[in-house]
Amino acid sequence: DAGVIQSPRHEVTEMGQEVTLRCKPISGHNSLFWYRQTMMRGLELLIYFNNNVPIDDSGMPEDRFSAKMPNASFSTLKIQPSEPRDSAVYFCASSMGYGYTFGSGTRLTVV
Amino acid sequence: DQQVKQNSPSLSVQEGRISILNCDYTNSMFDYFLWYKKYPAEGPTFLISISSIKDKNEDGRFTVFLNKSAKHLSLHIVPSQPGDSAVYFCAATPRGSNYKLTFGKGTLLTVNP
Repeated sequence: DAGVIQSPRHEVTEMGQEVTLRCKPISGHNSLFWYRQTMMRGLELLIYFNNNVPIDDSGMPEDRFSAKMPNASFSTLKIQPSEPRDSAVYFCASSMGYGYTFGSGTRLTVV
Repeated sequence: DQQVKQNSPSLSVQEGRISILNCDYTNSMFDYFLWYKKYPAEGPTFLISISSIKDKNEDGRFTVFLNKSAKHLSLHIVPSQPGDSAVYFCAATPRGSNYKLTFGKGTLLTVNP
């Protein structure tokens, strides 16, 4: 099992550009989570899906952020337009229960 | 409002000694607690967990203690090894939450040889 796969590993973009982060969860896991890690706020839950359906998106910062899960093996987190304060590490995680498996993260830098 | 708090941003210990990482929570609905370990440039990995029906869970060098009345848990690492140097996150989830975890901000543990 390759684990949770995120791409890209690093993304540097200019303010105002659209950014798309991708995640492939572990096969058979029915829950998928997007987290953002910053020094100030630690690990924040942005959104989570259960059986491909968004269950709780209360952590999404604002309308510039959107997430989709078109099927059980793929999810995207999109930021449009991006701003410097969006710079952070974004983690995707999947689970079948209490234990999450995290991907290696995408380090986003918006300049 | 932070529901899971790790008040020590960092901790430094000598190899072979005990490391004690602390975590406090405010939500009385939390009933399952986990510790994750994170190395640089990697995602967090699950380390150990404890249910609210227990007050201790042990796995090798790692032991988690839960004090429900104080809403406090701690992770003990004995003996500490240089490879244990990492950021440790405490996490908690309430009943019926669909396994949604709330994380603390993490504690950077440095084990010196």
